[in-house]
Amino acid sequence: NAGVTQTPKFRILKIGQSMTLQCTQDMNHNYMYWYRQDPGMGLKLIYYSVGAGITDKGEVPNGYNVSRSTTEDFPLRLELAAPSQTSVYFCASRRQWEKRTDTQYFGPGTRLTVL
Amino acid sequence: DAKTTQPNSMESNEEEPVHLPCNHSTISGTDYIHWYRQLPSQGPEYVIHGLTSNVNNRMASLAIAEDRKSSTLILHRATLRDAAVYYCIQADYKLSFGAGTTVTVRA
Repeated sequence: NAGVTQTPKFRILKIGQSMTLQCTQDMNHNYMYWYRQDPGMGLKLIYYSVGAGITDKGEVPNGYNVSRSTTEDFPLRLELAAPSQTSVYFCASRRQWEKRTDTQYFGPGTRLTVL
Repeated sequence: DAKTTQPNSMESNEEEPVHLPCNHSTISGTDYIHWYRQLPSQGPEYVIHGLTSNVNNRMASLAIAEDRKSSTLILHRATLRDAAVYYCIQADYKLSFGAGTTVTVRA
């Protein structure tokens, strides 16, 4: 299994541009998550999904959109990029079969800079 | 928001044990405590989890207080590769990450 994969690894955007961060997992996990991590800080939840077609907001959803059309994929869309969105973005997945004991698997991250 | 409290940083010498404390005074009877760690420039990775009794795995041990309001992650013999940020998390359907404890291991 490849686990959780994310593309791209790095990206520089200009203010006002848009982009999609890709996330794919091959573990047939129901739950998927998007986090952002600013320098020296912990991870903050942006959006999450409990299954295909179902998404919900996390702590910091403003400026982002998500969709979940398949179990495997959970793309994160940035519209009108702003410098405040400069961060490292992590995608994660979790089985949810026994949610309190399930471990969460993280991708390697996408480092985004908005100039 | 994170529901746990951890020290900002801890230092250890290589091959010595490291004890990482965590307070979770608002924990419910069915909430598990999970520990994750984040190596430099990587995503977090699972370390261990537990509910009431002490737990051991190949990476670490987890000691949970009898009242469950605190726990301690124990790295038995720290190596340079254990230098990371360690997160203690009161787990429900989502994981809420605080700032964690930055562990430095001296050679």
